Amino acid sequence: AQSVTQLDSQVPVFEEAPVELRCNYSSSVSVYLFWYVQYPNQGLQLLLKYLSGSTLVESINGFEAEFNKSQTSFHLRKPSVHISDTAEYFCAVRAPDTGRRALTFGSGTRLQVQP
Amino acid sequence: DAGVTQSPTHLIKTRGQQVTLRCSPKSGHDTVSWYQQALGQGPQFIFQYYEEEERQRGNFPDRFSGHQFPNYSSELNVNALLLGDSALYLCASSTRDGRNTEAFFGQGTRLTVV
Repeated sequence: AQSVTQLDSQVPVFEEAPVELRCNYSSSVSVYLFWYVQYPNQGLQLLLKYLSGSTLVESINGFEAEFNKSQTSFHLRKPSVHISDTAEYFCAVRAPDTGRRALTFGSGTRLQVQP
Repeated sequence: DAGVTQSPTHLIKTRGQQVTLRCSPKSGHDTVSWYQQALGQGPQFIFQYYEEEERQRGNFPDRFSGHQFPNYSSELNVNALLLGDSALYLCASSTRDGRNTEAFFGQGTRLTVV
């Protein structure tokens, strides 16, 4: 079984400031790791994923996340946020086995970017 | 290419009633998973279908059931609705053979039980 802990329920930040959203996971097997973003009244959109290889993964809109196996973490960072980044962010894990594709999500972090 | 589509977008039901939610997966996807997202919470896995059978199930009672059709579309049925069933229900599609590694989500159906 896996579990995901997102340590901050809300993160207020000013526009153009850096931000880090924290995610820790627990699993008895290796996992794939994901960050999803949810804008108000919408579904989930994949932001980035870690499967294997380089521990630093990047998205097309400036976010990056680093997989740290020893600390079982997958924190999301952005060096300079925009108002449009205001949304709910969910960290998720799943087993790599293609027959077990259920995602386990954290409780989410609401990023509030202020002008 | 149409992504994952869900219907209806919003629904209001009375306690004790039954509800059916529908999902069409992304083109080329054969696996459908359903999630329940209560207000202020992360999505919780309900169950997953491929080859028209339930393959994996989360910690949800038997009141929650589903179906997958030959065209890979899926339905989620909830019987004897409770107030606590009020939530956003998300459908996600993927491929079982490993060609894709992430699930694509629909916009969700907002169910309100009164």
